Amino acid sequence: GEDVEQSLFLSVREGDSSVINCTYTDSSSTYLYWYKQEPGAGLQLLTYIFSNMDMKQDQRLTVLLNKKDKHLSLRIADTQTGDSAIYFCAERDPGNKLVFGAGTILRVKS
Amino acid sequence: DSGVTQTPKHLITATGQRVTLRCSPRSGDLSVYWYQQSLDQGLQFLIQYYNGEERAKGNILERFSAQQFPDLHSELNLSSLELGDSALYFCASSVGGVKRGLTEAFFGQGTRLTVV
Repeated sequence: GEDVEQSLFLSVREGDSSVINCTYTDSSSTYLYWYKQEPGAGLQLLTYIFSNMDMKQDQRLTVLLNKKDKHLSLRIADTQTGDSAIYFCAERDPGNKLVFGAGTILRVKS
Repeated sequence: DSGVTQTPKHLITATGQRVTLRCSPRSGDLSVYWYQQSLDQGLQFLIQYYNGEERAKGNILERFSAQQFPDLHSELNLSSLELGDSALYFCASSVGGVKRGLTEAFFGQGTRLTVV
């Protein structure tokens, strides 16, 4: 079955880059996603990458996909205190549902 | 604002009761997904509907049921509630529901259910 794993916690200083990592098991995943959840809020879609891409950049966000190792990462450049949140990696399985990791808590210290 | 509306935002009810959570998808989205988020289980997929028909089922208990109406809004019914059902219930919608469909799923703000 599908499984998505993430590290639980990351702490960075304001202005530094953050890199959140994720591994997945389903090699037939078509799309992989990053969602952000702020306290008391819903999940906000940050970005996604199609499985035939290696990289996608969107302003301060860079997604890297290593399909061979089934490894996905999200890099946030110039991390700000407003980036403090939980970040979820998700894969879309062939049945079209999203399978989420447990989330990585990002803490940005000023 | 994702365009997905969930009501109510908060719900407190007693064990054994039944509640209905409602979701209005984004305009034009045919697919609705329900997820449960709890501290111990994380984000768990419950069920998906596409254009009124059940498309996929996840870890949904028999005490729970859902439907999608002709106007595409969806309801999640939770019955014989237990303390362990306390969680945040999210609805998401996307345009597609089939393998070739569009990919982005947008989430509502969630309904926080507390069973006492």
